[in-house]
Amino acid sequence: EVQLVESGGGVVRPGGSLRLSCAASGFTFDDYAMGWVRQAPGKGLEWVSSINRNSDNAGYVDSVKGRFTISRDNAKTSLYLQMDSLRDEDTAFYYCARVFSGSSPGFDWWGQGTLVTVSS
Amino acid sequence: SYVLTQPPSVSLAPGKTARITCGGINIRTKSVHWYQQKPGQAPVLVIYFDTDRPSGIPERFSGSNSGNTATLTISRVEAGDEADYYCQVWDTNSDHPYVFGTGTKVTVL
Repeated sequence: EVQLVESGGGVVRPGGSLRLSCAASGFTFDDYAMGWVRQAPGKGLEWVSSINRNSDNAGYVDSVKGRFTISRDNAKTSLYLQMDSLRDEDTAFYYCARVFSGSSPGFDWWGQGTLVTVSS
Repeated sequence: SYVLTQPPSVSLAPGKTARITCGGINIRTKSVHWYQQKPGQAPVLVIYFDTDRPSGIPERFSGSNSGNTATLTISRVEAGDEADYYCQVWDTNSDHPYVFGTGTKVTVL
């Protein structure tokens, strides 16, 4: 059974940093691209970032470019999101998700999410 | 960037058929995926590549895509289908490639 377990969320002041982790199991991790999707309280889904299988290509939504960094460790079957210079508008549940590839990639497995609250 | 528009809400009685639309310019040229999100839970993929169902998703869930509208159809709606539903496409020519729809809340009366 595929499992994605996020950790690292919490409360942080504006301008602060957090590092989210996602532990993957139940599948061959380095066969898949991975991503982060967030959801502000009461709002819709928003893609944040994704990374390919061997970490040589990553993408970010414009609002986090230069502040967030996605990475992965295939040996540890883990995905990470380093979040710096956090803003109030980054408050959200952050989901780790596995990418299914093809002509139109999407997300076929999701973690349970971790809540990031940015507040003074 | 590419925009996907969904109706905010759909309400219907049990046993009826729910049709949730996802509008986008020439969406028929893209493959659409659909996610179900129940309150307090993570999203679950229910339809991918317009019409395919992942293992474990009931046959009551089906999808179609034509013109400027993709549609998720839920036949014989049950109380357990009450959730938010999101469409999603891959926007090839964008550095913001994973595009989600605005979401539709399905309420079973």
